[in-house]
This record gives sequence, structure tokens and C-alpha cells, in this order.
Amino acid sequence: KQEVTQIPAALSVPEGENLVLNCSFTDSAIYNLQWFRQDPGKGLTSLLLIQSSQREQTSGRLNASLDKSSGRSTLYIAASQPGDSATYLCAVSEGNTPLVFGKGTRLSVIA
Amino acid sequence: DGGITQSPKYLFRKEGQNVTLSCEQNLNHDAMYWYRQDPGQGLRLIYYSQIVNDFQKGDIAEGYSVSREKKESFPLTVTSAQKNPTAFYLCASSTLGTLYQETQYFGPGTRLLVL
Repeated sequence: KQEVTQIPAALSVPEGENLVLNCSFTDSAIYNLQWFRQDPGKGLTSLLLIQSSQREQTSGRLNASLDKSSGRSTLYIAASQPGDSATYLCAVSEGNTPLVFGKGTRLSVIA
Repeated sequence: DGGITQSPKYLFRKEGQNVTLSCEQNLNHDAMYWYRQDPGQGLRLIYYSQIVNDFQKGDIAEGYSVSREKKESFPLTVTSAQKNPTAFYLCASSTLGTLYQETQYFGPGTRLLVL
């Protein structure tokens, strides 16, 4: 059974710092991997989707990479801002079955 | 505006009472999902449906029931058999491709509290 792990569970950084969030999955037979953002008491918002054939995707200050063979993905956030404070979740798709989610990394960016 | 709506935002349940959470989408998505979120637990799948009049149990279906009579609607009932219903409930929807589902879109959530 696919398992998705996110490390660290929580992270606190000063404003302006570049940071990396990690996601690992146990079964490399995935179709895509997605990163989501969740603000407290809100739903999830999709940030980036990487197809299994891709190595990375970029959106603004966010860059997500995928190493399917090693079962790893990273989300890189450049020049962090207090508005980036949220929980970030990764999820993998194994086909037309429900996404498998990690438990998330709670990020605090301190001004 | 296209999207997913959930109502109510807050819901209070009395002992022994069944309550129903609403989820509606106008994205023309085939698939809809219900998740429960507890602090430190991440998202846990309750039920999902990929076509009208059909649905499958997720990892924690006991004490819950659903229906999918219309493509746009996927209500979740929390029954009295669910002994610990206090949680944040999220509804999501997605398209289904030939091989895999596309990204999921989430509603704003319903927080259920027990009186």
C-alpha cells in the first residue's frame, strides 16, 4: 500500500530565507505528484502538479522536483514571506483511484 | 463562478443525532470525495464516487453514509454510529482522465462539533 511521508512536520524560518520541503513515497508506480497549500481552517489549494514523465515544475517562487525512481519530491520556496505561512501537503496519484496524501509540513515564516 | 461549495461552515451535533453535510460542485467533474481531517492526522478518505449512483468506501467509512443521485452533489451523513465525529470535513472533486485523475479541487470545509 502506498505511503506518503513528509519531513519535517513543522518548520519555522525567518523571512527572506530559501527553504525546502520534502516528500517521499513508497511505491514509484505513480502517474503524478501534487503539492497543495492549506491555510488554517480552510480547504486545500493546488500549487503544482508534476506528471511522472516530468522532473520539475515552477510557479513563481515555487519549484517542485520529482525523482520517481527514488520516490522523492521536494518543494523549494524562494525568498520566503510571512504570507507563505501555511501547511503544505503532497499527494500522489496511482491512476483513477483517490490521491494518497502525506500529513503535511506546517510552515511558519517569521517577519 | 465555478467551484465547490460546502455547507454549513459549522455544524453542531447532539448525542444520537444524524447530521448531513452538503457538497455541491459546478465544475462538471465526474469524481467527488469526502475527507476527514484531525489535528496531526492529515487527510483520511471517508467515501468517494466516480459516477452517479455509485460510490466506494474509503479508509474510515464506518459511521458515515453518502449518496450520489446527481453529478453535482455528494452529501455526507454522519450517523449516530460515529462515536467521535468532531473533525474538519473536506469535500473535493476531480476529472478522471484515461489513465489517471487530474488535480483535485477542494471546498472550504465544514467543522463538526459535538454538543
